[in-house]
Amino acid sequence: NAGVMQNPRHLVRRRGQEARLRCSPMKGHSHVYWYRQLPEEGLKFMVYLQKENIIDESGMPKERFSAEFPKEGPSILRIQQVVRGDSAAYFCASSPEGVGNNGYTFGSGTRLTVV
Amino acid sequence: GQQVMQIPQYQHVQEGEDFTTYCNSSTTLSNIQWYKQRPGGHPVFLIQLVKSGEVKKQKRLTFQFGEAKKNSSLHITATQTTDVGTYFCAVRSSGGYQKVTFGTGTKLQVIP
Repeated sequence: NAGVMQNPRHLVRRRGQEARLRCSPMKGHSHVYWYRQLPEEGLKFMVYLQKENIIDESGMPKERFSAEFPKEGPSILRIQQVVRGDSAAYFCASSPEGVGNNGYTFGSGTRLTVV
Repeated sequence: GQQVMQIPQYQHVQEGEDFTTYCNSSTTLSNIQWYKQRPGGHPVFLIQLVKSGEVKKQKRLTFQFGEAKKNSSLHITATQTTDVGTYFCAVRSSGGYQKVTFGTGTKLQVIP
C-alpha cells in the first residue's frame, strides 16, 4: 500500500512562472491537506480538500494560489506568477474519513525554489 | 483553531544527555499529537494523547499530557544522534472536521 506520493520532489521556477505540485493520497483516502513550511519554520495549514470539494481554504493566500482534488487523479496545488517568497517546502497529507487516532501521513514534500 | 506554543525553539545536547520539549496552550485541548521531522525530511506522526494526565512511552521517548489538558511534553532519555530533528506538537480540531494545527517546533541537535 503506497504512501502519500508527491511530485516533483524538487521544483525550480523563475519569478513569474507557474508551479504545479501534485499529491496522490494513500489508497482509500479521500481527504487531502496541504501545508507550507518556510525555511526554518513550522508547518502552516493551507487547504483541506475532499474529492471535488474544497472544505477549508482559510490558509491559502487570496491571490495566485489555488487547489483542486478532482474525481480522478491527484490533488494539485497551483501557484501562478511565483515570487521569491513562495520558496518553501509544500507537504501534502491524506486521511480517510477523519484523522482518527493515527495522525497525518505526510508525503515527502515538494521543495519549491523560485529564482 | 487552537494555538499551541512550543519551547525551547532550539536545543543542543551532548549525546547521552536527556532532552525535553514543552507544548503549551491557553485553552483546554481535546488532544495533542507529536510529530518528528528529520533534517530534509517530512513530518512523521509519533503519537496522540487524549486523556488528562496521560503518559505514554515509546522506547526512550516519554509523552505526557497535563492534568488540565493545557500542556504536553516530550522527553527523550539518553539522546542519540538518530534523535536529531525537529519535534512538533499539534492539535486536531474536535468535531466533524479534523484539521491539525501545528506548534512552532523544537529543533534538536545532538553533539556526538
